[in-house]
Amino acid sequence: EDQVTQSPEALRLQEGESSSLNCSYTVSGLRGLFWYRQDPGKGPEFLFTLYSAGEEKEKERLKATLTKKESFLHITAPKPEDSATYLCAVSLTSGSRLTFGEGTQLTVNP
Amino acid sequence: GAVVSQHPSRVICKSGTSVKIECRSLDFQATTMFWYRQFPKQSLMLMATSNEGSKATYEQGVEKDKFLINHASLTLSTLTVTSAHPEDSSFYICSAARQGSGEQYFGPGTRLTVT
Repeated sequence: EDQVTQSPEALRLQEGESSSLNCSYTVSGLRGLFWYRQDPGKGPEFLFTLYSAGEEKEKERLKATLTKKESFLHITAPKPEDSATYLCAVSLTSGSRLTFGEGTQLTVNP
Repeated sequence: GAVVSQHPSRVICKSGTSVKIECRSLDFQATTMFWYRQFPKQSLMLMATSNEGSKATYEQGVEKDKFLINHASLTLSTLTVTSAHPEDSSFYICSAARQGSGEQYFGPGTRLTVT
């Protein structure tokens, strides 16, 4: 069975305290791995797509990496405005639907 | 680019009435659109996949006669909640898939409250 697991469920950081969020996956035929950010009461905002092991992408304070079993979302020197729920999702070669993890709720305190 | 809109953002309706939610891809064509439901503090639950010009594919446990989906053009999909009941109250979110990349872009969501 295809599974996506995110950890930790919740993470509290002080402003400037760098950390990483984890997304591990067990799927049959990965097409792509996606990271989204979701603020309360809003739809998910697209951040990154990763397609192959070893791939890395960066955007401002965020950097996403991918291995054959997991992906990391590294947050460097976070600010309070980075507080949100970060969702990881995978799509399979067999179809277009996304399978989501349960998300990591990030809180950055000033 | 890759903007998806949803309308309305909030709707309150009485039990037994029907509600239509629109999802539009504003700057790209989407042959495939998706409808999700999200409960508080939970991840997104896929309800159905709709392809332009064909019938939607519903996930197990989702009543196709209750949640009517129409994808009449490459930029518009609609979800109609028929004979709504309080248990249908939820946050409904659509997404549109960009051709080739598999990337899905989400709308801002619709908060439905059934009284």
